[in-house]
Amino acid sequence: EPEVTQTPSHQVTQMGQEVILRCVPISNHLYFYWYRQILGQKVEFLVSFYNNEISEKSEIFDDQFSVERPDGSNFTLKIRSTKLEDSAMYFCASSPIGGNTIYFGEGSWLTVV
Amino acid sequence: DAKTTQPTSMDCAEGRAANLPCNHSTISGNEYVYWYRQIHSQGPQYIIHGLKNNETNEMASLIITEDRKSSTLILPHATLRDTAVYYCIVRPGNTGGFKTIFGAGTRLFVKA
Repeated sequence: EPEVTQTPSHQVTQMGQEVILRCVPISNHLYFYWYRQILGQKVEFLVSFYNNEISEKSEIFDDQFSVERPDGSNFTLKIRSTKLEDSAMYFCASSPIGGNTIYFGEGSWLTVV
Repeated sequence: DAKTTQPTSMDCAEGRAANLPCNHSTISGNEYVYWYRQIHSQGPQYIIHGLKNNETNEMASLIITEDRKSSTLILPHATLRDTAVYYCIVRPGNTGGFKTIFGAGTRLFVKA
């Protein structure tokens, strides 16, 4: 069964450093998303992406965040200058054209120290 | 997106049916009911969705009331591996790109 894959599974970074989280969405999907979940809290929407541009973003997704689809298969989330409060599990997701069921990856756990 | 209300937690005995209720009284005509679950620290997993008819797949059944203001997810024979947080979400269906808003969900404990 096709799945969304994410790397790395866990990353520890120093405060102020840049981090790139990578995702390979399901191959025939055209909508891509990033969500995050701070430990013990709800899953929060960050951004949705379609046709090489952001279609929607939340208040959390400020100027320190960016997304990119650098090639035909990868979808990345960049955090420019990490803060302690960016420590969370980051989930990538994708959905197909004509369908609104979103499929999630297993997450990348980011720890900022 | 319409708001949903779910119980905070529920218990179920292993092998018995787990019935998870959800209220969505402000659902609009073009919104579907989706159910996801999240097993500890894993990514949310899609379970099932429906518009107005009852739906069944290999994981679960979804019963939607005639007025569409509430629904019930049924896991017919719960196992210990079904212990998870279950999210009921209403959102437009069959069009992509919409964000999915997760509430607190129902924490289901399946006990031996």
